[in-house]
Amino acid sequence: EPEVTQTPSHQVTQMGQEVILRCVPISNHLYFYWYRQILGQKVEFLVSFYNNEISEKSEIFDDQFSVERPDGSNFTLKIRSTKLEDSAMYFCASRGLAGGPFGNEQFFGPGTRLTVL
Amino acid sequence: GQQVMQIPQYQHVQEGEDFTTYCNSSTTLSNIQWYKQRPGGHPVFLIQLVKSGEVKKQKRLTFQFGEAKKNSSLHITATQTTDVGTYFCAGEGTSYGKLTFGQGTILTVHP
Repeated sequence: EPEVTQTPSHQVTQMGQEVILRCVPISNHLYFYWYRQILGQKVEFLVSFYNNEISEKSEIFDDQFSVERPDGSNFTLKIRSTKLEDSAMYFCASRGLAGGPFGNEQFFGPGTRLTVL
Repeated sequence: GQQVMQIPQYQHVQEGEDFTTYCNSSTTLSNIQWYKQRPGGHPVFLIQLVKSGEVKKQKRLTFQFGEAKKNSSLHITATQTTDVGTYFCAGEGTSYGKLTFGQGTILTVHP
């Protein structure tokens, strides 16, 4: 069964450092998302990406964040200068076409746990 | 912006008892989705409800979408220990693909 993969599984960084979180969405999917989940809290939408551009972003997704699809398979989230409050689990998700066999289902990756010290 | 509230935050049940979690959106939704997250895991899609008043069943799980498309519920009949986890509702409004998650209900099942 196809799945979304994410690397690394755990990233520890110093405050102020840049981090890049990587995701490989399901191959024929067209819509890509990043969410984050602070420990013990709900899943929060960060950004959606379609046709090589951002479709929508939340207020969390400020100038310190950026996304990129550098090639046909990877989808990355970059945090330019990490803050302590960026510590969270970051989930990538992908989805196929609306009306496709899986409807609007979003497939989540296993997540990257980011710890900012 | 759109907010999705979910109650209760925690539910402890004995195995065999029923469980229900409720979800309420501040705005009308195009659809609502339910996800389950096991401890240490990632959200896994359970179901999507699109139509007003829709009811869907998956074995012991029953999902409902309100007539106004602003609230939803998940009911589990005769819980089992394998049901443990956090159940999230996630509403999709007018922005395609942007899911607004509820706070989740953490279900604990005691054998």
